[in-house]
Amino acid sequence: KNEVEQSPQNLTAQEGEFITINCSYSVGISALHWLQQHPGGGIVSLFMLSSGKKKHGRLIATINIQEKHSSLHITASHPRDSAVYICAPLIIQGAQKLVFGQGTRLTINP
Amino acid sequence: DTAVSQTPKYLVTQMGNDKSIKCEQNLGHDTMYWYKQDSKKFLKIMFSYNNKELIINETVPNRFSPKSPDKAHLNLHINSLELGDSAVYFCASSQEGGSRAFFGQGTRLTVV
Repeated sequence: KNEVEQSPQNLTAQEGEFITINCSYSVGISALHWLQQHPGGGIVSLFMLSSGKKKHGRLIATINIQEKHSSLHITASHPRDSAVYICAPLIIQGAQKLVFGQGTRLTINP
Repeated sequence: DTAVSQTPKYLVTQMGNDKSIKCEQNLGHDTMYWYKQDSKKFLKIMFSYNNKELIINETVPNRFSPKSPDKAHLNLHINSLELGDSAVYFCASSQEGGSRAFFGQGTRLTVV
């Protein structure tokens, strides 16, 4: 079983829809990153959170450490949000180490 | 100014060659990483350096050798390249204690 499971693996939606991507992990972590990989390949770190909720523009990330679960929400989705979103929990084993979910490919149609 | 920069962006080379990928960060971070993204787009950590010391060395062939001349640089040297080494390699940095990670733009390595 993978340490990190994301769902769904693929998601297609219409512009304006509310999007939710889920991440569950089985290991103890200190924090969790949400990454966005654009079609061109570049990776951007969207959030790093260790508890509660963070908001940046139309993006919202939540985490429940006890339940080992995090979600990424996109409100009023737009075609430019089309990308792969990757959940990456931060494990502390002497030093920090990121493990990665398999990614969720999001396509927003106009 | 680019926070984490990798060079080259593209690298095409023949089997058996030795090549290096350079990474530099100007963020003052004390931890740097190398990740490999395979053809299925799955990311895996290869190495982690903290203050120039190797912290994490995942199951990676010893043909791969990271070198950190200072905190701001973590270069990846690959000997005797094989076809299976073809992938996109990402460098990243963060501050120990847990902070947002910053990624380089990636280096697409193609071994022919």
